[in-house]
Amino acid sequence: AQSVTQLDSHVSVSEGTPVLLRCNYSSSYSPSLFWYVQHPNKGLQLLLKYTSAATLVKGINGFEAEFKKSETSFHLTKPSAHMSDAAEYFCVVSDKDRGSTLGRLYFGRGTQLTVWP
Amino acid sequence: DGGITQSPKYLFRKEGQNVTLSCEQNLNHDAMYWYRQDPGQGLRLIYYSQIVNDFQKGDIAEGYSVSREKKESFPLTVTSAQKNPTAFYLCASSKGHADTQYFGPGTRLTVL
Repeated sequence: AQSVTQLDSHVSVSEGTPVLLRCNYSSSYSPSLFWYVQHPNKGLQLLLKYTSAATLVKGINGFEAEFKKSETSFHLTKPSAHMSDAAEYFCVVSDKDRGSTLGRLYFGRGTQLTVWP
Repeated sequence: DGGITQSPKYLFRKEGQNVTLSCEQNLNHDAMYWYRQDPGQGLRLIYYSQIVNDFQKGDIAEGYSVSREKKESFPLTVTSAQKNPTAFYLCASSKGHADTQYFGPGTRLTVL
């Protein structure tokens, strides 16, 4: 079975300090992993994705994530938070479903990031 | 300007009425999806379509229906059988069934 656990429902940081959003996954297959960001009342925007190439993945807006198979983790980081980073972040795993070959997405419950001035 | 559009942005309906949410994409994607989002629960898959004239139930299909008559369009009908329809609905599409999904801006449905 595939699942995603986002370890923090809320994270608060000061502007200019590092951001760490934690994600653990379980997967029966070799997974593809994603981070999406959602601003209030908006759709989801893709930040970055891992698809079995380099384990350190760079995304948009200065975010990056490292795939660690031994720890089944895919934590999202940014060296210096900006006010505009305040949003909800979703960690997502995709596997090919055994029955249909559809790349189903399994979402974590989200982490709300607050950035203080 | 390519992308996914959803309309309306906000929708209010009385209990017992059917409502249809629109989703259109001009990305030439084959696969389309409908998700429901509730606070603190992430996204849950309602229906998906891998190709025109074909669609499959997701995890929470009860009380919903879809059609896929055109590649560009995947409307979702929330029927009166859906017990708790108030939610934020997101449409997504991908080039192929296992490719990266891209999301529309969402429709917030409130049933009064």
